[in-house]
Amino acid sequence: RKEVEQDPGPFNVPEGATVAFNCTYSNSASQSFFWYRQDCRKEPKLLMSVYSSGNEDGRFTAQLNRASQYISLLIRDSKLSDSATYLCVVNTGTGNMLTFGGGTRLMVKP
Amino acid sequence: GAVVSQHPSWVICKSGTSVKIECRSLDFQATTMFWYRQFPKQSLMLMATSNEGSKATYEQGVEKDKFLINHASLTLSTLTVTSAHPEDSSFYICSAVGDNYGYTFGSGTRLTVV
Repeated sequence: RKEVEQDPGPFNVPEGATVAFNCTYSNSASQSFFWYRQDCRKEPKLLMSVYSSGNEDGRFTAQLNRASQYISLLIRDSKLSDSATYLCVVNTGTGNMLTFGGGTRLMVKP
Repeated sequence: GAVVSQHPSWVICKSGTSVKIECRSLDFQATTMFWYRQFPKQSLMLMATSNEGSKATYEQGVEKDKFLINHASLTLSTLTVTSAHPEDSSFYICSAVGDNYGYTFGSGTRLTVV
């Protein structure tokens, strides 16, 4: 079983749609959680950290369920510019090491 | 904010030659640097972790004699792919972590071995 699992997609949605991505992680000792965005042939860029209480940044909402070892990302009012691969990332706390999920590809169509 | 400069951005080399990739933290001291590799349509896979002044820790399956990592200063780490082969063609990305600075990624190096 992979340490961090995501549905690879692609998710094809029209502009303005709401889309949700899910992620599960296997290490219950994981300490911090993130969503990164990666554009084609570019480095990943931090989208947002994920907190147990849930957090929102504009159109983006992230949720963490430690009991189920599950993380989600909700994007409201999708824009064409949201098209990218979204990476679920977990820090197990061992040497600051990040473990990346396989990524979920989002394509927003006009 | 924190900036990590990685170069070259892309490189094409002949099979059997060596390629050096540099990763520099420009405005902070990177106590730890990570090297990742990403094949097409796959996620980033950690290759090794390097701490300044000590030997790198390699992930299982990564040959330390083939992928030489040097972290001689708090602002520079290098990855040298020795005797490169076509199967080494990939996207290599570094990431740096420093005190009061979270993960900052370099812009990546696309290596093509022909």
